[in-house]
Amino acid sequence: DIVMTQSPDSLAVSLGERATINCKSSQRVFSSSLNNDCVVWYQQKPGQPPKLLIYWASTRESGVPDRFSGSGSGTDFTLTISSLQAEDVAVYYCQQYYSSPHTFGQGTKLEIK
Amino acid sequence: QVQLVQSGAEVRKPGASMKVSCKASGYIFIDYFIHWVRQAPGQGLEWMAMINPRTGTTTYAQKLPGKFTLSRDTSTSTVYLEVSRLNSEDTAVYFCARETDTTALGYWGQGTLVTVSS
Repeated sequence: DIVMTQSPDSLAVSLGERATINCKSSQRVFSSSLNNDCVVWYQQKPGQPPKLLIYWASTRESGVPDRFSGSGSGTDFTLTISSLQAEDVAVYYCQQYYSSPHTFGQGTKLEIK
Repeated sequence: QVQLVQSGAEVRKPGASMKVSCKASGYIFIDYFIHWVRQAPGQGLEWMAMINPRTGTTTYAQKLPGKFTLSRDTSTSTVYLEVSRLNSEDTAVYFCARETDTTALGYWGQGTLVTVSS
């Protein structure tokens, strides 16, 4: 199974500042047929299902604010929130869908400093 | 609009089985894979399985062979997850989710809380 390891486990950032969450896969998750890295980022708020933010490592889902961006390739991926808003307080998960099981990272809890 | 509506909360005793449903609407049911993800209280997300509603083909996390069984009813656009041999570690919220055109999970059910307790 591919292991997805996020860092840090928790993060406190001031409003308006940048937040960066990292995700490392235990092997490459690049699909040659899709010509993309098969990594997704989700946001989950308490009591809600996860919400898709970023797919193919760097493509923002429709309707997601442009302060959210994804980057990376190979085995190292990053979710960046350029200017933290109060509504961004949540747990963030990466997931690989290159091969089954489609494993998730352990999650990163983002709070306001 | 795409909707996934799950069945209600369940309470089961250890050793029992349970079946959760996920009824899809707002799109052509057989066109998109459905996945199941669970989340134990205060814990992270765990991918469990997926089904191709067109063919019925299933793929499961191998960690627990035979633990989970997916099925679908194309006449009602419903996917079912059966979990057998329940124990306390199966206490969780179970989510169904549908792929988007890019294979990411873009549509989620509201979640079903399953509590295993004697």
